[in-house]
Amino acid sequence: GDSVTQTEGLVTLTEGLPVMLNCTYQTIYSNPFLFWYVQHLNESPRLLLKSFTDNKRTEHQGFHATLHKSSSSFHLQKSSAQLSDSALYYCALRTGNYKYVFGAGTRLKVIA
Amino acid sequence: EAAVTQSPRSKVAVTGGKVTLSCHQTNNHDYMYWYRQDTGHGLRLIHYSYVADSTEKGDIPDGYKASRPSQENFSLILELASLSQTAVYFCASSSGTGTLEVFFGKGTRLTVV
Repeated sequence: GDSVTQTEGLVTLTEGLPVMLNCTYQTIYSNPFLFWYVQHLNESPRLLLKSFTDNKRTEHQGFHATLHKSSSSFHLQKSSAQLSDSALYYCALRTGNYKYVFGAGTRLKVIA
Repeated sequence: EAAVTQSPRSKVAVTGGKVTLSCHQTNNHDYMYWYRQDTGHGLRLIHYSYVADSTEKGDIPDGYKASRPSQENFSLILELASLSQTAVYFCASSSGTGTLEVFFGKGTRLTVV
């Protein structure tokens, strides 16, 4: 079935260092839609960025990701972490029947 | 900004009791979803619906029922609440076209004792 894998449960970084959160997916759907959602403490998840196009970089709020269908990956990156980036990040896949499947989430903790 | 409203925002229920979580959206979205959030498991889909009077099972439907009496309203029903159903529940909606963004409600914290 469809699934999303986020290998890191917790990533701790010093402010100013680059961020990379991993996301891989499995789906039988040939045109997957991939998303990154961010959830700050005591808030609900909200969309950070999305992509449907193979090998095209998408950016938003300093974060970027590129969908690579060849490796079924959609890693989230940022050049320099900020304290305010501390949050829970979810990678999500929209399947052919309009289900949204989320990964287990990666908690990013940025320290001074 | 899309609006999804959940009620109640928190609830304490007794084991074996019936619990109904309600969700209302004003965005004219066709798709509505119920997720539960647990540490280490992320967001898991319980039920979803793409049209009024019809619901579909998600990935973890056991112990839950859903009802979509209108396009705007989507309820999650726990007929016999159990301790393992203690979690935060999120309702969400999506148009199915356009931006494809899923909009979440603020969540309901359910504690079963």
